[in-house]
Amino acid sequence: QSALTQPRSLSGSPGQSVTISCTGTSSDVGGYNYVSWYQQHPGKAPKLLIYDVSKRPSGVPDRFSGSQSGNTASLTISGLQAEDEADYFCCSYAGRYTVIFGGGTKVTVL
Amino acid sequence: EVQLVQSGAEVKMPGESLKISCRGSGYSFTTKWIGWVRLMPGKGLEWVGIIYPRDSDTRYSPSFQGQVTISADKSISTAYLQWSSLKASDTAIYYCARSTMVNSYFDYWGQGTLVTVSS
Repeated sequence: QSALTQPRSLSGSPGQSVTISCTGTSSDVGGYNYVSWYQQHPGKAPKLLIYDVSKRPSGVPDRFSGSQSGNTASLTISGLQAEDEADYFCCSYAGRYTVIFGGGTKVTVL
Repeated sequence: EVQLVQSGAEVKMPGESLKISCRGSGYSFTTKWIGWVRLMPGKGLEWVGIIYPRDSDTRYSPSFQGQVTISADKSISTAYLQWSSLKASDTAIYYCARSTMVNSYFDYWGQGTLVTVSS
């Protein structure tokens, strides 16, 4: 199993939108609607942002949205804020009771 | 309040054994899966495996199968990740996290346990 492919870094100015892609295969991302996204600040545990491709847990701002097209899932952060500067990881079910993560994207707020 | 509290940081020598723990509270421990996730310095998250404490049904990532053992003691609401012979490449932060299904997302996470393996 190879990690899902994410851009290593992205940046944006406050108020802008950034979209993080997460590319897998038909055996993981494209085969199931079980993509989730996590935000991790330095020294902290990951936090769930999006699950089942596009659902937001209670308490997560609606600035965060998820989508999927074929083998690629995406996380969009609209109205970028300083506190959004963090690492972001995608995750997908990969069949046979296994799960796979992406390599992570570092988002910098300029 | 749902909480997953992990054991403290460990420093070990190559070849030593280790068992780290993750205690759940604030929910019915036997009705959710507990997964383990590795974060290596400068790398991304890696799924290690997952256990269902009610019956100890356990699944492993192919990359970790045979390298670690996941177990649980439902009587004390605690899951474990253990190594029989550590390697320097096991140096990482290990997180436990709760999941509703084996193929589902992780909604609550532990604070992480730093494992350092060095001679």
